[in-house]
Amino acid sequence: NAGVTQTPKFQVLKTGQSMTLQCAQDMNHNSMYWYRQDPGMGLRLIYYSASEGTTDKGEVPNGYNVSRLNKREFSLRLESAAPSQTSVYFCASDGRGLRTKQGETGELFFGEGSRLTVL
Amino acid sequence: AQSVAQPEDQVNVAEGNPLTVKCTYSVSGNPYLFWYVQYPNRGLQFLLKYITGDNLVKGSYGFEAEFNKSQTSFHLKKPSALVSDSALYFCAVRDPSSGGSYIPTFGRGTSLIVHP
Repeated sequence: NAGVTQTPKFQVLKTGQSMTLQCAQDMNHNSMYWYRQDPGMGLRLIYYSASEGTTDKGEVPNGYNVSRLNKREFSLRLESAAPSQTSVYFCASDGRGLRTKQGETGELFFGEGSRLTVL
Repeated sequence: AQSVAQPEDQVNVAEGNPLTVKCTYSVSGNPYLFWYVQYPNRGLQFLLKYITGDNLVKGSYGFEAEFNKSQTSFHLKKPSALVSDSALYFCAVRDPSSGGSYIPTFGRGTSLIVHP
């Protein structure tokens, strides 16, 4: 059971280059998220997808686009990378609404992160 | 709007001593509360949650947290700290009464350092 898988783990870009971060989950979760983590800033939500076919902006969406390709996959694209986008990016999925014998879920499951440097 | 505050950027404790990492929250409805831990160069891992029921919840690695509605707090505790508990800890809140996806809000994180 892999959980949430992100690729690539590391990437160095030049200003203006584009790239896509890939994320896939195998837990049949409806909701998926992209966060960035910067020192002293905690986790900031970039975009989320409440269900297959829907996406919504989070706190810091500028400079990013997303695609919810299917229920498993949620990608994050930087069209023209800027040094301010140097960060660690995390994908997460969410069992919200899935009831188990243990009751309501609601915790997020995170990938291992993608460290992006923009020169 | 919902919010989470972790008032301490860093907590230092000696191995074997009890530890507390503080979290306060603000929501309009009844909160779902979570603690996550992040080890260096890793993703966040779920530790424990409060949804409903007993105010004292127990989680992974001997951690527990107490939900205090009157003080709007959800402090993380452990009776005896280990050096291996050194990590970054995040508190998070969700408000199901907010409708829609009730997006989680995270605190800024508290770095726990356990000294041998």
